[in-house]
Amino acid sequence: DTEVTQTPKHLVMGMTNKKSLKCEQHMGHRAMYWYKQKAKKPPELMFVYSYEKLSINESVPSRFSPECPNSSLLNLHLHALQPEDSALYLCASSQEALAGGGDTQYFGPGTRLTVL
Amino acid sequence: DAKTTQPPSMDCAEGRAANLPCNHSTISGNEYVYWYRQIHSQGPQYIIHGLKNNETNEMASLIITEDRKSSTLILPHATLRDTAVYYCIVRVAGGIYGGSQGNLIFGKGTKLSVKP
Repeated sequence: DTEVTQTPKHLVMGMTNKKSLKCEQHMGHRAMYWYKQKAKKPPELMFVYSYEKLSINESVPSRFSPECPNSSLLNLHLHALQPEDSALYLCASSQEALAGGGDTQYFGPGTRLTVL
Repeated sequence: DAKTTQPPSMDCAEGRAANLPCNHSTISGNEYVYWYRQIHSQGPQYIIHGLKNNETNEMASLIITEDRKSSTLILPHATLRDTAVYYCIVRVAGGIYGGSQGNLIFGKGTKLSVKP
């Protein structure tokens, strides 16, 4: 089973709202990722968590706040977003530091976010 | 920036083999070639990866040239459901221990259209 689930599937929010995106995996993976994908563009890495600790932040604005409460869950807290933040937000997970490319990332279906 | 070059689009007749090329002339010895695909508005789906030997799984075959500067993803019997954007990515395996070289950096990919 290589399933990563994300909720909600769609989210519409105003610029003053606070909302959260959720991601869950039960594959025993210890690395989890957030990507952002604008329309007609490839996915771009935002954050990487390893063993529940933030290891990579790709210079993402502070209005995006990630959280990894345990090894199976990853949240992305949103506050004071701008319309240009509208995008597909993708979560992925992988094992860690395995030879042979065993740390393949598996993606969830994404959350389609619209900021009004 | 992505380290790969792919044609922006390709067509394939249903039932025929789809051969998707990828150029990665600057690949390093410790970098793997990964292929993902993304069907419209869904999360990227892992297809296959390899280091230097040809690889085959239930989805596809990956042919890597001896000098490793290019590769070809082969879908042996394309169906309409294989219509998607196909991404070729080179990366260091080993999760975050590969540093930023372990990140998935998506290029623009190849838009494969399978036609009846």
